[in-house]
Amino acid sequence: QKEVEQNSGPLSVPEGAIASLNCTYSDRGSQSFFWYRQYSGKSPELIMSIYSNGDKEDGRFTAQLNKASQYVSLLIRDSQPSDSATYLCAVKRRWSNDMRFGAGTRLTVKP
Amino acid sequence: SAVISQKPSRDICQRGTSLTIQCQVDSQVTMMFWYRQQPGQSLTLIATANQGSEATYESGFVIDKFPISRPNLTFSTLTVSNMSPEDSSIYLCSVERSGANTGELFFGEGSRLTVL
Repeated sequence: QKEVEQNSGPLSVPEGAIASLNCTYSDRGSQSFFWYRQYSGKSPELIMSIYSNGDKEDGRFTAQLNKASQYVSLLIRDSQPSDSATYLCAVKRRWSNDMRFGAGTRLTVKP
Repeated sequence: SAVISQKPSRDICQRGTSLTIQCQVDSQVTMMFWYRQQPGQSLTLIATANQGSEATYESGFVIDKFPISRPNLTFSTLTVSNMSPEDSSIYLCSVERSGANTGELFFGEGSRLTVL
């Protein structure tokens, strides 16, 4: 079992729809959770971080965390073609330097 | 946010040679991280570089293969030694956003290495 699992996709949604990206992790000691966006040929950039159970909203993005189920998700509302990218889920133990990344989900938003 | 510059952005190398990647940050940072992203795969942490001490390597990575320097608080280098085609990858330098162990990372543009 991989430490951080994501559906590789591709996930395709029409413009304006909600894109739902999911991630599960195996280390129950994980305390910090992140979503990074990576455009093709570019380096990852941080979109959201979440540290406690529940929802965290930032603009069109909502991160959801359920530690009991070891599950993290990212919702993108009103999806735009510019959201087309690979989304990486990452988890980290507190006070550890080792960030564990999932393989990423490739999202395509069709105009 | 931090501005991170990496050199080279890409290179094609011959088997058996070594290449040094440079990473320059526009602010002083305690830790710098080196990641590898192999084709079609996710990021894997190679090592953490602290100024004034030896780098800490993750499982599967050794200093002889990936020597790291950290001469000051804004600069680090990663050398990929005795390269083989399996080392073809994107190597990324990263720093943490200021704050105690936030885990929020900024990445350099990456160095894409192809080993023939």
